[in-house]
Amino acid sequence: AQSVTQPDIHITVSEGASLELRCNYSYGATPYLFWYVQSPGQGLQLLLKYFSGDTLVQGIKGFEAEFKRSQSSFNLRKPSVHWSDAAEYFCAVVSGGTASKLTFGTGTRLQVTL
Amino acid sequence: DAGITQSPRHKVTETGTPVTLRCHQTENHRYMYWYRQDPGHGLRLIHYSYGVKDTDKGEVSDGYSVSRSKTEDFLLTLESATSSQTSVYFCAIKGGEGQETQYFGPGTRLLVL
Repeated sequence: AQSVTQPDIHITVSEGASLELRCNYSYGATPYLFWYVQSPGQGLQLLLKYFSGDTLVQGIKGFEAEFKRSQSSFNLRKPSVHWSDAAEYFCAVVSGGTASKLTFGTGTRLQVTL
Repeated sequence: DAGITQSPRHKVTETGTPVTLRCHQTENHRYMYWYRQDPGHGLRLIHYSYGVKDTDKGEVSDGYSVSRSKTEDFLLTLESATSSQTSVYFCAIKGGEGQETQYFGPGTRLLVL
């Protein structure tokens, strides 16, 4: 069965600093991978996705992620964090089949200090 | 905005009472999903639907049932609510044939006393 691990429960960075959120997945075939962001009290917003092709994918709000098959990783990065980026971030993988069921990691809460 | 609404947005109920949550979409998507979100668990799939009257179980389906009598509505029912079902419930749709991306509704916060 597929699984997703986000090893960092909580990360604090200063505004303007760079950010990297880690995501490791376990899946036998080529995965479909996603990053979602959730602001407090809100639903989930899609940041970016990887299906195939270029392993560096660009998303909204200045985020990017790099798929590394050899490391089973899909880490999320941003070169300069803004205070409004404070939120919870979820990595997810789609299982096989037409139902496209998502398996989520447990999330990383990002705090941004001014 | 994927045209997804959920109702109610907040609900407080008592143990043993039935509860129905509604997910409504406006864009005629075939696939719809119900997830629950709990601290330390991320989101977990409860049930999903792949068409009218076509549903299947997810990872945490015990204690829940679903129905889909119209394309636009997907109902989640807790037949007899328990405190362990206190959670935030999210509905999602899959964006079109051949697409794998899911888009989420705003969520329903349920408290079972």
